[in-house]
Amino acid sequence: NAGVTQTPKFQVLKTGQSMTLQCAQDMNHNSMYWYRQDPGMGLRLIYYSASEGTTDKGEVPNGYNVSRLNKREFSLRLESAAPSQTSVYFCASGGQGVTDTQYFGPGTRLTVL
Amino acid sequence: KQEVTQIPAALSVPEGENLVLNCSFTDSAIYNLQWFRQDPGKGLTSLLLIQSSQREQTSGRLNASLDKSSGRSTLYIAASQPGDSATYLCAVRDSNYQLIWGAGTKLIIKP
Repeated sequence: NAGVTQTPKFQVLKTGQSMTLQCAQDMNHNSMYWYRQDPGMGLRLIYYSASEGTTDKGEVPNGYNVSRLNKREFSLRLESAAPSQTSVYFCASGGQGVTDTQYFGPGTRLTVL
Repeated sequence: KQEVTQIPAALSVPEGENLVLNCSFTDSAIYNLQWFRQDPGKGLTSLLLIQSSQREQTSGRLNASLDKSSGRSTLYIAASQPGDSATYLCAVRDSNYQLIWGAGTKLIIKP
């Protein structure tokens, strides 16, 4: 049981380059999330998908796009990377109930030069 | 806007001590409060979830309490071990059903 997997684990981009972060979960969860984690700050929600076929903006969506490819996969795309997007990105999945928690992937450490 | 604060940002204690980590939030309209553990270079792992109607939850050496009226939660770790060294984050599920996160407390247990 792999849980939540993310690729790649590390990435270095130049300003203006694009890339897609991949995420997959095998726990049959309806909801999936993308967060970023910056030093000294809590995780901030970029986008989420409450169910297959739906996506919604979180707290910090500017500069990102997402695709919920199917129930298992949720990708995050940076169209034109900026240094301010240097961060650690986490994908998570889980339920929306009051007793549901979230399960996290290992993260992608992205550096934009 | 809901804000979650964790103080201190870092804590170092000798092995075997009992310790308390603190979390405070500004809006009492929450569905639950959750504590997570993050090891360096890894993702987050859920430790405990307290529903808004509950006062505490226990798992092994961990006990989490919730006082919604004062906007506070504590995570009590009994008989600390070097393997407990990690960053501990709390998060509240707010009225929009999203998790709002604190910045975490980095805990170091000295052998």
